[in-house]
Amino acid sequence: GENVGLHLPTLSVQEGDNSIINCAYSNSASDYFIWYKQESGKGPQFIIDIRSNMDKRQGQRVTVLLNKTVKHLSLQIAATQPGDSAVYFCAELFGNEKLTFGTGTRLTIIP
Amino acid sequence: NAGVMQNPRHLVRRRGQEARLRCSPMKGHSHVYWYRQLPEEGLKFMVYLQKENIIDESGMPKERFSAEFPKEGPSILRIQQVVRGDSAAYFCASSPLDSYGYTFGSGTRLTVV
Repeated sequence: GENVGLHLPTLSVQEGDNSIINCAYSNSASDYFIWYKQESGKGPQFIIDIRSNMDKRQGQRVTVLLNKTVKHLSLQIAATQPGDSAVYFCAELFGNEKLTFGTGTRLTIIP
Repeated sequence: NAGVMQNPRHLVRRRGQEARLRCSPMKGHSHVYWYRQLPEEGLKFMVYLQKENIIDESGMPKERFSAEFPKEGPSILRIQQVVRGDSAAYFCASSPLDSYGYTFGSGTRLTVV
């Protein structure tokens, strides 16, 4: 079974507001984490990644936070736009093994 | 760079037929991964291959499923004697040697009727 899970399966956010998507992982030895965005009918698209020796990483409008103490990962999207509507997955990697994905959170941006 | 190319995009098979899914990795990428996704679910790992080698097939069903990544040509995921439960989206990803840079293709949506 999967060891990466999400707290919220669906999330609706008003356009322009910030959104936070959460993820719990169980393998404390995982050393690399990625957030993916998947739009309907498409493959996962890389958003942002973070290594286990960091606790925060920022990109354009997105921030990933890693809390290794409680094995928690979050994705913050600032000033959400309609194009942000998608399913978001976190994934973890240990060493050179395969990526393990969580079940996903569907983000809906309300105009 | 055309990215990870998967074909066909859509594939319909009758029960008992064979399905062949192809994946051409990004140029310079030597690792290929196959994942399966059911509707409203996450991606489930199936198999990890390098050229001419299967590295990890722990997610592959023991029967009817096989994968290869030959020296020349695309990686192939083969499903023999398909059943309705095989209907899913199958995604391929590739990465370069010694890097975490996974790139996914657009997937093949298999429908078994």
